[in-house]
Amino acid sequence: QSALTQPASVSGSPGQSITISCTGSNSDVGGYNYVSWYQQHPGKAPKLIIYDVSNRPSGVSNRFSGSKSGNTASLTISGLQAVDEADYYCNSYTSSNTRVFGGGTKLTVL
Amino acid sequence: EVQLLESGGGLVQPGGSLRLSCAASGFTFTNYAMGWVRQAPGKGLEWVSSIRSSGSNADYADSVKGRFTISRDNSKNTLFLQMNSLRAEDMATYYCAKSLTSDVADFDYWGQGTLVTVSS
Repeated sequence: QSALTQPASVSGSPGQSITISCTGSNSDVGGYNYVSWYQQHPGKAPKLIIYDVSNRPSGVSNRFSGSKSGNTASLTISGLQAVDEADYYCNSYTSSNTRVFGGGTKLTVL
Repeated sequence: EVQLLESGGGLVQPGGSLRLSCAASGFTFTNYAMGWVRQAPGKGLEWVSSIRSSGSNADYADSVKGRFTISRDNSKNTLFLQMNSLRAEDMATYYCAKSLTSDVADFDYWGQGTLVTVSS
């Protein structure tokens, strides 16, 4: 159950778009359309923002979008806002019937 | 409004045991799988365990398999995590979370977490 690979940090200016990658293997990201993304602000519980690769829960801004190609999933945030500054984690179902998180990416809005 | 309230965290010595509880409200508890996710201080999220809505099946991370047991009392809308043989690396904030479906799935609601400290 190795953690999925995410960049440690990304940054962008307000209004710009950024993309966070999440790389796994055929046994997790590449094998199933069960990739999700969570946003976590400091001291707060995580919040689900994308599930099943590209679906947004009710109430989540359409500035957040998800996709997948092969063993790599991606989260794109468009129209970057200061409130988007947070940690972002990907998660995938695995062939062992478990779930695995990525190491997390710190997004800085410049 | 969905609410998940964890309790049972605290200080425990290495090798000791602790039982976490999560009281759920605001949704039909018996219809959804539930799970636990932990976060060590300053570190990332780690999935710990999930249990299906009926309580019949549970899955565990390799790091806790054989030491932790997840269970639920559907009559009391409560989720549990029995943690035995605790190690220093188990020290973390433990979050209770509700799944999107009755099966193991993504977590759409989370509690505020309960801190488990493992130290002598």
